[in-house]
Amino acid sequence: EPEVTQTPSHQVTQMGQEVILRCVPISNHLYFYWYRQILGQKVEFLVSFYNNEISEKSEIFDDQFSVERPDGSNFTLKIRSTKLEDSAMYFCASSSAPGGYFGPGTRLLVL
Amino acid sequence: AQKITQTQPGMFVQEKEAVTLDCTYDTSDPSYGLFWYKQPSSGEMIFLIYQGSYDQQNATEGRYSLNFQKARKSANLVISASQLGDSAMYFCAMRETGNQFYFGTGTSLTVIP
Repeated sequence: EPEVTQTPSHQVTQMGQEVILRCVPISNHLYFYWYRQILGQKVEFLVSFYNNEISEKSEIFDDQFSVERPDGSNFTLKIRSTKLEDSAMYFCASSSAPGGYFGPGTRLLVL
Repeated sequence: AQKITQTQPGMFVQEKEAVTLDCTYDTSDPSYGLFWYKQPSSGEMIFLIYQGSYDQQNATEGRYSLNFQKARKSANLVISASQLGDSAMYFCAMRETGNQFYFGTGTSLTVIP
């Protein structure tokens, strides 16, 4: 069964450092998403991506965040200068129809 | 105002019984979608069921059904014949036009043997 994959599964970084979280969506999907979930809290939408551009972004997705689809398979989330409050689980999702398949997540810890 | 409200932080249900998880939403968009996801303790997010705002019938997927009451802006999830493996967090979510998603705070369901 096709699945969304994410790397790394865990990342620890120092405050102020840049991180890149990687996702490989399901190959024939057209819509891609990033979400985050701070421990014990609800899932928060960050950004949606379609046709090689951002289609929607939330207030959380400020200038320190960016997304790219550098090739036909990868979908990345870059955080330019991490803050302590960026510590969370980051989920990538992709869909071709309502629902969306989530990846297993990357747990980011900012020290 | 919250876009998605889940008022039950925790629920218990006896194995093999049915349980309803509540969700209300707030939108002025005429076109929207409603979703339920399951998050087991392992952390992954599993899509369960979808209801479009224009769908005339309530969505069903196996033991899951969505009780969609548009006038009340509610989209409750009904799980029939609960199983021990149903113990998890359940999140209701909404997608408005433009592809932005909103999630509720979740309901923790515990199935009791």
